[in-house]
Amino acid sequence: QSALTQPPSVSGSPGQSITISCTGTRNDVGTYILVSWYQQHPGKAPKVIIFDVSERPSGVSNRFSGSKSGNTASLTISGLQAEDEADYYCYSFAGRRMLFGGGTKLTVL
Amino acid sequence: QVQLQESGPGLVRPSETLSLTCTVSGTFMSTHYWSWIRQTPGKGLEWIGHISNSESPKYSPSLESRITISLDTSKNQFSLKLRSVTAADSAVYFCARLHYDSTGRFPDYFDSWGQGTLVTVSS
Repeated sequence: QSALTQPPSVSGSPGQSITISCTGTRNDVGTYILVSWYQQHPGKAPKVIIFDVSERPSGVSNRFSGSKSGNTASLTISGLQAEDEADYYCYSFAGRRMLFGGGTKLTVL
Repeated sequence: QVQLQESGPGLVRPSETLSLTCTVSGTFMSTHYWSWIRQTPGKGLEWIGHISNSESPKYSPSLESRITISLDTSKNQFSLKLRSVTAADSAVYFCARLHYDSTGRFPDYFDSWGQGTLVTVSS
């Protein structure tokens, strides 16, 4: 069981928007802005797409956005494209621990 | 462009020590933090620990009794040793660069990753 809770799967049609939640506690997501999101295609390494809750690294599409409310962080992907089909993981700093979510499989219908 | 490459045995016997090396290119190792992360189908991604030239290694509390992470900047490498392995340690092991926040006090996000190496623990 992962320390951060994500839905196992989400789906959407091309052009639609989807949101993936990441629920932690006041000891991690609720306290720190050190929340990031990673995209992982099958057989590939994870790639950071959001850091510090809502910042995008250079080169990452502005269709990806992040936010946080209380103990829950969220990743929103707008204008879904076939290439967005992948696994998505959240991460949060938590003092002595560094926590990942269990991952969410995004299916583009 | 930073590149990381894991290397080491793909099969380890139960109770023995898992040893992996990550070779880094495209950057100066001494100015960054370097991590090990593993991935299993059941537990997803799990942070193992990280190291830098400027401070002692930081380890996951759940693994710290069994792990050692070391750094050799002269070879552009850092390494992981995980002792007394069991089947539960079977995973894909990634090495990654860890970016610290603007204050330099807190680990922030993993900005470059190796491709990962599968390690199976079995007799």
